[in-house]
Amino acid sequence: DGGITQSPKYLFRKEGQNVTLSCEQNLNHDAMYWYRQDPGQGLRLIYYSQIVNDFQKGDIAEGYSVSREKKESFPLTVTSAQKNPTAFYLCATGRGLAGGYTFGSGTRLTVV
Amino acid sequence: GENVEQHPSTLSVQEGDSAVIKCTYSDSASNYFPWYKQELGKGPQLIIDIRSNVGEKKDQRIAVTLNKTAKHFSLHITETQPEDSAVYFCAALPPRETGFQKLVFGTGTRLLVSP
Repeated sequence: DGGITQSPKYLFRKEGQNVTLSCEQNLNHDAMYWYRQDPGQGLRLIYYSQIVNDFQKGDIAEGYSVSREKKESFPLTVTSAQKNPTAFYLCATGRGLAGGYTFGSGTRLTVV
Repeated sequence: GENVEQHPSTLSVQEGDSAVIKCTYSDSASNYFPWYKQELGKGPQLIIDIRSNVGEKKDQRIAVTLNKTAKHFSLHITETQPEDSAVYFCAALPPRETGFQKLVFGTGTRLLVSP
């Protein structure tokens, strides 16, 4: 059953901590993306990756970092430099010629 | 770059009524227009899409229309049901840069269908 797995579903972070959100896909899609969604708001692009070992900053990359060591995996680290990290984080893959994205189910990060 | 505007931001209808959500885009070269439905606490799901060489596409109670001249596209939901209540996002795909596609999203419409 192909899809995108985001984990954990809920994550709590203390002030000053780094946390890593996992995104794994078995769709064999090359492109992967991370979006941030604040309550009642739209989707803002954090980072994206076209191929392994390559990624680019999106519109709100400050305070975040990513890696793409494997085609299947695109983890997002929320660093202590991100001053307002509480949000819903969505991972997506690009559907290539079919067009558009497939989204994961999201991770809700809360700072406590 | 491409800019997508979406209206209305909220839409309330009675069950059985029709709902229409409209989006405009700025880059006339954009060639793919998907619509996503996001239920509370979940990721967006693709519900219908249309390419620039097609004017209309239907899938049961859902339809999308595209007017390339005016650079706008719309989502039409007929015979709305309470389970249609969600946030809907439109998006446009501008021409690929170095072979890489990046959708530009609208700001979303919250649809509430009352029984």
